[in-house]
Amino acid sequence: DVKVTQSSRYLVKRTGEKVFLECVQDMDHENMFWYRQDPGLGLRLIYFSYDVKMKEKGDIPEGYSVSREKKERFSLILESASTNQTSMYLCASSLGLAGAPRADTQYFGPGTRLTVL
Amino acid sequence: KNEVEQSPQNLTAQEGEFITINCSYSVGISALHWLQQHPGGGIVSLFMLSSGKKKHGRLIATINIQEKHSSLHITASHPRDSAVYICAVWKGGGSRLTFGEGTQLTVNP
Repeated sequence: DVKVTQSSRYLVKRTGEKVFLECVQDMDHENMFWYRQDPGLGLRLIYFSYDVKMKEKGDIPEGYSVSREKKERFSLILESASTNQTSMYLCASSLGLAGAPRADTQYFGPGTRLTVL
Repeated sequence: KNEVEQSPQNLTAQEGEFITINCSYSVGISALHWLQQHPGGGIVSLFMLSSGKKKHGRLIATINIQEKHSSLHITASHPRDSAVYICAVWKGGGSRLTFGEGTQLTVNP
């Protein structure tokens, strides 16, 4: 079974703090994704990566950055957290192709519910 | 207008009923996904399909490429089927999924 784990289920941070959300997958997947989910807006893609050290902006990258130094780990960074970044953050991975995205089944982590006060 | 539209937004059924959730999209796609999200947040992929029909247990997914439409059917529904069902498409030549807003299904005993 594919396992995608996220570092925290719940997180509370203060405005202006730097926040790190970690995601680890154990199935040697090439593609990894960070989404946020808000009521009435559905899932929206923040960033994705289809190879180590590669990253691509999704639909809402503003205020976020990512890091993928190792194949199994994809980190989402909020440089200076703001209240409008309060949300559920979901990581996913898929088999994919090295160096290219592909329409494979995505496996999701349990999510991190982030509250920024 | 969203590129992926689901209907209905909310659906309440009695245990045992046959359920249909619809997904329409307005772009060319290479694949369509159906996902299930239970309370608490975890998302599970149910189906990925690009043509025809797939079946897994009591779940059936169909797609009509010409009409740009897919349906998810649940036969003999059960309260444990209560969840949000999400349709997502991978555009042809694209690099990411585009999601519908989801259908909240509640199955009462």
